[in-house]
Amino acid sequence: KQEVTQIPAALSVPEGENLVLNCSFTDSAIYNLQWFRQDPGKGLTSLLLIQSSQREQTSGRLNASLDKSSGRSTLYIAASQPGDSATYLCAVRFLDSSYKLIFGSGTRLLVRP
Amino acid sequence: ETGVTQTPRHLVMGMTNKKSLKCEQHLGHNAMYWYKQSAKKPLELMFVYNFKEQTENNSVPSRFSPECPNSSHLFLHLHTLQPEDSALYLCASRGGEKLFFGSGTQLSVL
Repeated sequence: KQEVTQIPAALSVPEGENLVLNCSFTDSAIYNLQWFRQDPGKGLTSLLLIQSSQREQTSGRLNASLDKSSGRSTLYIAASQPGDSATYLCAVRFLDSSYKLIFGSGTRLLVRP
Repeated sequence: ETGVTQTPRHLVMGMTNKKSLKCEQHLGHNAMYWYKQSAKKPLELMFVYNFKEQTENNSVPSRFSPECPNSSHLFLHLHTLQPEDSALYLCASRGGEKLFFGSGTQLSVL
C-alpha cells in the first residue's frame, strides 16, 4: 500500500530558529512530491513541487529536498517567523496512478515570538 | 486567493437533510477534485473530474453525489449523511502538476 508519513506531528520552536520537517513514502517509484501549507480552517497552498528527477527546490526561506531511493523528503525553513505557523503537508504522486496525490497527515508548526 | 471559490464556508445539517456544496474556478483548468479532511487524518480523495467526466470515484458512499456541469463548476450533493461525515470538504482544480485548493466547506452533521 502506498503511504506517506510525516514526522513530527507537531513542532514548537522559538522565532528565528531553522527547522526541518520530514516526509517519508513507501514506494520510491514516484512522479513528483509537493509540499503544501494549510492555515486553520482553510484550504491548502502549494509551496514547492519537486519532480522525481530533481534533488531539491527552493523558494525564499524554504528549501525542499528529495531522496527518492530512500523514500524521503525534507522541508527546511530558515529563520522561522510567527507567520510560518501553520500545518505543512507533504503529498506524493506515485508513478502507477493517474493524477492522484497521496497526502501525509501533516506537521503542525508553531513559531513562538 | 487561489482562484478556487467554495460555498458555503460552513454548513450544519441534520441526517435527513439534503444540501449541496459548490465549487467554482476561473483558472481555465480542466480537472477538478473533491477531497475530505477529517480531524487527525490525511486528506482523502473522493472524486476526480477531467473535462466534465468523472475519472475517479474513491469508493465513496452513494450519499455523496458529485456533479460537474462544466469545467468551471463542481458540486457535491449530500443526502442522509451520518455524523461521521462531519469534516472539511475541499475542492481543488489542477493546472499542470499543481493543485489549487479552495478554502473548504466545514460540514457538521447532527
